[in-house]
Amino acid sequence: EAGVAQSPRYKIIEKRQSVAFWCNPISGHATLYWYQQILGQGPKLLIQFQNNGVVDDSQLPKDRFSAERLKGVDSTLKIQPAKLEDSAVYLCASSRIGELFFGEGSRLTVL
Amino acid sequence: AQSVTQPDIHITVSEGASLELRCNYSYGATPYLFWYVQSPGQGLQLLLKYFSGDTLVQGIKGFEAEFKRSQSSFNLRKPSVHWSDAAEYFCAVGAVIFGNEKLTFGTGTRLTIIP
Repeated sequence: EAGVAQSPRYKIIEKRQSVAFWCNPISGHATLYWYQQILGQGPKLLIQFQNNGVVDDSQLPKDRFSAERLKGVDSTLKIQPAKLEDSAVYLCASSRIGELFFGEGSRLTVL
Repeated sequence: AQSVTQPDIHITVSEGASLELRCNYSYGATPYLFWYVQSPGQGLQLLLKYFSGDTLVQGIKGFEAEFKRSQSSFNLRKPSVHWSDAAEYFCAVGAVIFGNEKLTFGTGTRLTIIP
């Protein structure tokens, strides 16, 4: 089965610019997650979707981050405007009961 | 809320030597426990998981982990490491809250293998 697809793999932007990341989960997986992984740290959950509804966005900086999951399949994570501290790898994952499957991540560098 | 502690930030092991990576968790009920591995520039790959039953679980690549409820630990072991095992290892604790799965990661242990 195809894995979780993410794009772009790498993105370099200047602060105050905007960026968007795309994720296509494994077919049939209802739950989708976006994690932020800062260098040297473990992944931190930003937002969790169940189908196209938000389950948990308590750690999403809503003044600059937004995410949507249209039709309960693909998802987009947007950052606008970006700050230096947003430099990280953004990991998308989807799950069936008891196991998360991760994409390769989108590495963001904010200059 | 659940939490995970990985006390070792970096471990160096000789190739062929045994390995143990430590993980302690905090959760009020019986947790789901996971070990993931992340190679440079890659996403996270599941090594093994514990839900219930036998407290010694076998995973891929020759890894195993033992759940010890009395110590709130889920340490990862491998009897003989290979150079390809060099990577970052993350322990995670999962819970189902109001029907939704929550996964919390530790800060990771970076494993270096020396010849």
